[in-house]
Amino acid sequence: AQSVTQPDIHITVSEGASLELRCNYSYGATPYLFWYVQSPGQGLQLLLKYFSGDTLVQGIKGFEAEFKRSQSSFNLRKPSVHWSDAAEYFCAVASYNNNDMRFGAGTRLTVKP
Amino acid sequence: DGGITQSPKYLFRKEGQNVTLSCEQNLNHDAMYWYRQDPGQGLRLIYYSQIVNDFQKGDIAEGYSVSREKKESFPLTVTSAQKNPTAFYLCASSIGGLAAGYNEQFFGPGTRLTVL
Repeated sequence: AQSVTQPDIHITVSEGASLELRCNYSYGATPYLFWYVQSPGQGLQLLLKYFSGDTLVQGIKGFEAEFKRSQSSFNLRKPSVHWSDAAEYFCAVASYNNNDMRFGAGTRLTVKP
Repeated sequence: DGGITQSPKYLFRKEGQNVTLSCEQNLNHDAMYWYRQDPGQGLRLIYYSQIVNDFQKGDIAEGYSVSREKKESFPLTVTSAQKNPTAFYLCASSIGGLAAGYNEQFFGPGTRLTVL
């Protein structure tokens, strides 16, 4: 079965600094990968997804992620963080024709002024 | 305006009582899901349904029950058999279906259940 590891529980960055959130997955076949964001007490919003093709995917709110099969990683990046980006971020993996999606434990992002 | 609604937003229950959480979607999605979220543990799948009148257990189904009588509705009942029900519950849906490939899941705003 697929699984996801997000090594960083909590990250603090200064506003305007760059951001990279790490995600490692375990899955035998071609994975379908997602990043979601959750504001406190809210549901999850999809930031971006990777199904196939170009390994660098662009998402909403200026986020991007790069799929690296050799490293089993799908790290999320943003060149310049805004205070409104403070939230919890979840990486998820799923398989084709299987409605079972596995989530990482999440990384909480704090943005310093 | 399509989306997923969950009600109530906050729910309090006394020990020993069953309680039902509502989830409705107007996205015309076939598949629906229930997740439980606890701090530091991400989301864990309770039940999912790929089509009306059919559903499967997820990883933590014990103490929960569901029904799927209508395409747009997937209520979750937290029974008294659930030993630690205090958590944040999220409902999701996807185009899904038994013959579909993978489609991303769309989430509702969640219900926070507290057992007193």
